[in-house]
Amino acid sequence: QLQLQESGPGLVKPSETLSLTCTVSGDSVSSPSYYWGWIRQPPGKGLEWIGDIYSSGRTFYNPSLKSRVTISVDRSKNQLSLKLSSVTAADTGVYYCARLPTLDNREDYYYGMDVWGQGTSVTVSS
Amino acid sequence: QAMLTQPASLSASPGASASLTCTLRSGINVGAYRIYWYQQKPGSPPQYLLRYKSDSDMQQGSGVPSRFSGSKDVSANAGILLISGLQSEDEADYYCMIWHSSAYWVFGGGTKVTVL
Repeated sequence: QLQLQESGPGLVKPSETLSLTCTVSGDSVSSPSYYWGWIRQPPGKGLEWIGDIYSSGRTFYNPSLKSRVTISVDRSKNQLSLKLSSVTAADTGVYYCARLPTLDNREDYYYGMDVWGQGTSVTVSS
Repeated sequence: QAMLTQPASLSASPGASASLTCTLRSGINVGAYRIYWYQQKPGSPPQYLLRYKSDSDMQQGSGVPSRFSGSKDVSANAGILLISGLQSEDEADYYCMIWHSSAYWVFGGGTKVTVL
């Protein structure tokens, strides 16, 4: 059974870099059948997509965050990671990782999130 | 104007049907898009409900009851999530989502459903 577990510091100082990890069990981040992504949710607000990554390393990022975001995969650990630089209080929220199926193992065609992790809460404060 | 607009809240009685709308911004044609729907209960991650583009291009999420269904109102340029036979356990926030043609996912602001 697929499980996604986010982890990382719960508190980050303004202007620093937020770094999170999502450990995948029950599937492989190297599988051609999926993209893997990050989504966040500020307290009391809606969902915001951050970005997705494929096993080839191909990435898609939210245009509003693109200059600050890096998503990568560590195949040896079966993890994906998120780095968000120059954080401010507006980056406070719950961060989720998720799986996104492809169509027929195609890198150029995939669907939305079908399985989500439980999320990890991050506060940006000095 | 937001790309996807959802009513902030909706209330309905147990056993009734609830129609949640996701209106696409003018200039974005709902007919061209798959609309995804997610349910989120307090303190929990979103759960995938279904995706709908047309009756021939749709998918129900694993384990999602058939009383959740998708459709479109082309005249209103909106995607619709229909919940039939509302139950108390359906109280939650519901989000729609699309893949924008410029290569990014966009979420609606969410609708809070209350079962009275």
